[in-house]
Amino acid sequence: AQKVTQAQTEISVVEKEDVTLDCVYETRDTTYYLFWYKQPPSGELVFLIRRNSFDEQNEISGRYSWNFQKSTSSFNFTITASQVVDSAVYFCALSGPSNDYKLSFGAGTTVTVRA
Amino acid sequence: NAGVTQTPKFRILKIGQSMTLQCTQDMNHNYMYWYRQDPGMGLKLIYYSVGAGITDKGEVPNGYNVSRSTTEDFPLRLELAAPSQTSVYFCASIGRTHRGSNQPQHFGDGTRLSIL
Repeated sequence: AQKVTQAQTEISVVEKEDVTLDCVYETRDTTYYLFWYKQPPSGELVFLIRRNSFDEQNEISGRYSWNFQKSTSSFNFTITASQVVDSAVYFCALSGPSNDYKLSFGAGTTVTVRA
Repeated sequence: NAGVTQTPKFRILKIGQSMTLQCTQDMNHNYMYWYRQDPGMGLKLIYYSVGAGITDKGEVPNGYNVSRSTTEDFPLRLELAAPSQTSVYFCASIGRTHRGSNQPQHFGDGTRLSIL
């Protein structure tokens, strides 16, 4: 069974502050994939980042960065210098070959960036 | 490229009515999925398909049916609409993955369905 937990329900910050979203996962697969999706108020799901379980290198892409640690089963996501347009619901998700790459989603974290 | 296309975008149904939510992808993807998202919640898997002619149940399949007669299309059918099926429905697809590839699931824009 796969499970994704996003303990933070809501986060509110002032513009230009950094925001870190926590994600903890459970899986029996040895190879698996982790994702972050953004859902703005308009409702569509926007893919942000994907990480393979065999690549623990952490990266930065523009204002986004992520911290993947297999030892603690965590895949945290940080928005640096937040902007009002970052206000959205952010979902962490997990998939793997043992379940036909079905995505298991966390409950989501609502981020509100105030001007 | 159109990607994943869902129709309709919005629909209001009366209790007991039936309807089909359409999903089409033009990326020749093997895997297709239907999720529902209830207000303030994450997405839950309804049904999925690993290829034409093959479908399987997800986490919340009751009240729904699917078919996959072609690679491109994966319609979701509600036979007897109930208020509990009021939700936003997302269709998604993914090609066969390989080690080191970087494919995310491609999502449609969603169908907002209200049962009154």
